[in-house]
Amino acid sequence: GEDVEQSLFLSVREGDSSVINCTYTDSSSTYLYWYKQEPGAGLQLLTYIFSNMDMKQDQRLTVLLNKKDKHLSLRIADTQTGDSAIYFCAEKRGSARQLTFGSGTQLTVLP
Amino acid sequence: DAGVIQSPRHEVTEMGQEVTLRCKPISGHNSLFWYRQTMMRGLELLIYFNNNVPIDDSGMPEDRFSAKMPNASFSTLKIQPSEPRDSAVYFCASSFEVGETQYFGPGTRLLVL
Repeated sequence: GEDVEQSLFLSVREGDSSVINCTYTDSSSTYLYWYKQEPGAGLQLLTYIFSNMDMKQDQRLTVLLNKKDKHLSLRIADTQTGDSAIYFCAEKRGSARQLTFGSGTQLTVLP
Repeated sequence: DAGVIQSPRHEVTEMGQEVTLRCKPISGHNSLFWYRQTMMRGLELLIYFNNNVPIDDSGMPEDRFSAKMPNASFSTLKIQPSEPRDSAVYFCASSFEVGETQYFGPGTRLLVL
């Protein structure tokens, strides 16, 4: 998905917060998603946010959406080694059923 | 609840052979998606079905790829003949109409020698 962009890599220390960023281009996006993919596994839905929301919090996860800038972020508080994975953001555009995925951000948590 | 089920989990075959990947969506979901994931191209949508009908197959690479959904609980993705460049992880996902959140299966790792 060239229209959904993410940084490829992020490294953080265990216990610190991680912030994974994503930008998208389609203003008709209705839902935005964060998926997590651990090595050798499928994509696991972490959370999603409606386009009319600015923020959503779920335990250690905080999603921030800036519709004006078409910017989505995922903050992971107190990052643990088990959070090491690839994180994909995805958007659902208008009435489309399919999702457009970013290239994924490889999060590495250092001890 | 069982999630999306895919089989086989791993497939190794020789160039020219036919490969069939299978998917059972979550019961009650009416949309089914096939994706391919490679290092070079990332996650690509190949085709998706709604109520067993193919809606968008523009992501299918070429005529060697075909997908069917004969009923609400089963879909296949077939590659014939297979080529080494088809080596990838193939994911199936399903969603329920309301909300459209997609749930992914564990994937099939295909290696074509």
